[in-house]
Amino acid sequence: GQNIDQPTEMTATEGAIVQINCTYQTSGFNGLFWYQQHAGEAPTFLSYNVLDGLEEKGRFSSFLSRSKGYSYLLLKELQMKDSASYLCAVRSLYSGAGSYQLTFGKGTKLSVIP
Amino acid sequence: ETGVTQTPRHLVMGMTNKKSLKCEQHLGHNAMYWYKQSAKKPLELMFVYSLEERVENNSVPSRFSPECPNSSHLFLHLHTLQPEDSALYLCASSEDMNTGELFFGEGSRLTVL
Repeated sequence: GQNIDQPTEMTATEGAIVQINCTYQTSGFNGLFWYQQHAGEAPTFLSYNVLDGLEEKGRFSSFLSRSKGYSYLLLKELQMKDSASYLCAVRSLYSGAGSYQLTFGKGTKLSVIP
Repeated sequence: ETGVTQTPRHLVMGMTNKKSLKCEQHLGHNAMYWYKQSAKKPLELMFVYSLEERVENNSVPSRFSPECPNSSHLFLHLHTLQPEDSALYLCASSEDMNTGELFFGEGSRLTVL
């Protein structure tokens, strides 16, 4: 089976840095994704890692260690609009027809306070 | 036009009703998905269509019936649902089935009484 763990909630201060961790156990790993979901809105794609290392995109960075089954999303210079849920998702071989599909974690609700 | 559009945004139905959720994507993608999002649970894959053919059916009860008449449209037909089926139903699309970047619609919030 597949298992994805991430903290349920986090709180951080405006202007600070926050790191959201994600650990996973899966077979047929084929990439890790982070999505952002504001309350009442659709999830939107943030980042993708398939090789070990850090991917940087503006204020957001994502890290992957495949050997450890571990990823983190780093948000710098936090803004109030960053208050949202952050979903970790792993693409792996699906148990059904053998295609690669995304399995999501429960999401981490980040609250940014002044 | 937004990338992925879902209607209705909100739906309240009784357990004996029949209703349908509609999804339309204007991105030229070849794969479409239905996900279920319940409170305090992860997004749960329900169905995957690639080039209008159903590829995955994640052991979803038959009271949920998908339909993909063409690569731009996806429906979820609902019949004799249970209160525990109340959730946000999200449609998504991707370039093809092996591209992980999903583009989601805003979702249809379903309440079953």
